[in-house]
Amino acid sequence: EIVLTQSPATLSLSPGERATLSCRASQSVSNYLVWYQQKPGQAPRLLIYDVSTRATGIPARFSGSGSGTDFTLSISSLEPEDFAVYYCQQRNSWTWTFGQGTKVEIK
Amino acid sequence: QVQLVQSGAEVKKSGASVKVSCKTSGFTFTTHYIHWVRQAPGQGLEWMGIRGPNDDYTFYAQKFQGRVTMTRDTSTSTVYMELRGLTSEDTAVYYCAREYKSSSDYWGQGTLVSVSS
Repeated sequence: EIVLTQSPATLSLSPGERATLSCRASQSVSNYLVWYQQKPGQAPRLLIYDVSTRATGIPARFSGSGSGTDFTLSISSLEPEDFAVYYCQQRNSWTWTFGQGTKVEIK
Repeated sequence: QVQLVQSGAEVKKSGASVKVSCKTSGFTFTTHYIHWVRQAPGQGLEWMGIRGPNDDYTFYAQKFQGRVTMTRDTSTSTVYMELRGLTSEDTAVYYCAREYKSSSDYWGQGTLVSVSS
């Protein structure tokens, strides 16, 4: 099973600052790397799929990058509604795994 | 519009089974796979498995093999997830989610399953 390790566990930032979240895989995941945002009491929301493709309706301040085993989600300028937990997810054959999440909190 | 509407919260005793439904609408049921993901209180997301829309295809995470069954009813565009042998470790919110390019673009609202001894 491919293990995804996200860092940091918590990111304390102010609105307007840039956020950089990391997701590292235990082996190559090709292009099947996905990012979700989750707010308390809500289902996850798809942000990025195929490493860098924004889902429908996702603002341009969200971007994904990386390859092989190292991936990054960047939020160029944090808006108040961006403070949430972010998960990466990969697909290997028909098996999915998720990272443990990064919480982006208001500093 | 695309919707996945799940059944209501359940309270079960240890050793019991639970069956959660996920009724879909707004898209062609026979062209999309449906995933099940769960989230224990205060914890991260855990993938359980996937159900094909119009054949018998299923694939379960190794952790749940032998204890979970995912079925579908094409006539009502509904997918079901049954989990047997419940323990307190199975207390979680269970989500169904539509497959889209190796991700999930639409999710159900979640169903809380509480297991007590």
